[in-house]
Amino acid sequence: DTAVSQTPKYLVTQMGNDKSIKCEQNLGHDTMYWYKQDSKKFLKIMFSYNNKELIINETVPNRFSPKSPDKAHLNLHINSLELGDSAVYFCASSQDATSTRTTDTQYFGPGTRLTVL
Amino acid sequence: AQKVTQAQTEISVVEKEDVTLDCVYETRDTTYYLFWYKQPPSGELVFLIRRNSFDEQNEISGRYSWNFQKSTSSFNFTITASQVVDSAVYFCALSEDVDSSYKLIFGSGTRLLVRP
Repeated sequence: DTAVSQTPKYLVTQMGNDKSIKCEQNLGHDTMYWYKQDSKKFLKIMFSYNNKELIINETVPNRFSPKSPDKAHLNLHINSLELGDSAVYFCASSQDATSTRTTDTQYFGPGTRLTVL
Repeated sequence: AQKVTQAQTEISVVEKEDVTLDCVYETRDTTYYLFWYKQPPSGELVFLIRRNSFDEQNEISGRYSWNFQKSTSSFNFTITASQVVDSAVYFCALSEDVDSSYKLIFGSGTRLLVRP
């Protein structure tokens, strides 16, 4: 009964490759997010989607493209991987943060550690 | 600009000691939320608490307690009688409204090491 799940947990790849990270939540939440945690543990938001609609795009290079096929899934596709993309990527979800204007708790997935060689 | 400062990079205590993790924030919003998350060595982010800016009551949950002081823009976290399992990185976070949604602004984290 995992709430927010991500696959894969570890991803090791070569520079220049294209890769995807998948995220699924079974909490019935409407809003999903991607955060990046760098080697110094700094956590920063990348994107958020509400009910499949892009809400936040935090000046992320356009090599990163989120895709939300339905409100339970938010995948992250990365083109032309660079060394600086090495990080832990966290998916999160929260109950509807838009129509009710409330700030609900974000629940995080286990993270995907991406290593670019 | 919204900002969260966790000035303590690392704290080391001996088991059973009490320890307080500091969090100071800056915000232009009149309504906001503050959070604490725990990141154990296994790497996941575990939600601990959410506090509304209008609710300044302190909160206690078992060995954990939180002190919210709006006058000093602080939301400190105390662990009483610390245990080795409390060893983790702890993040304080502030909500920031973005259009019709919100994002979390995280502090840089405090690494807590509890020694047996």
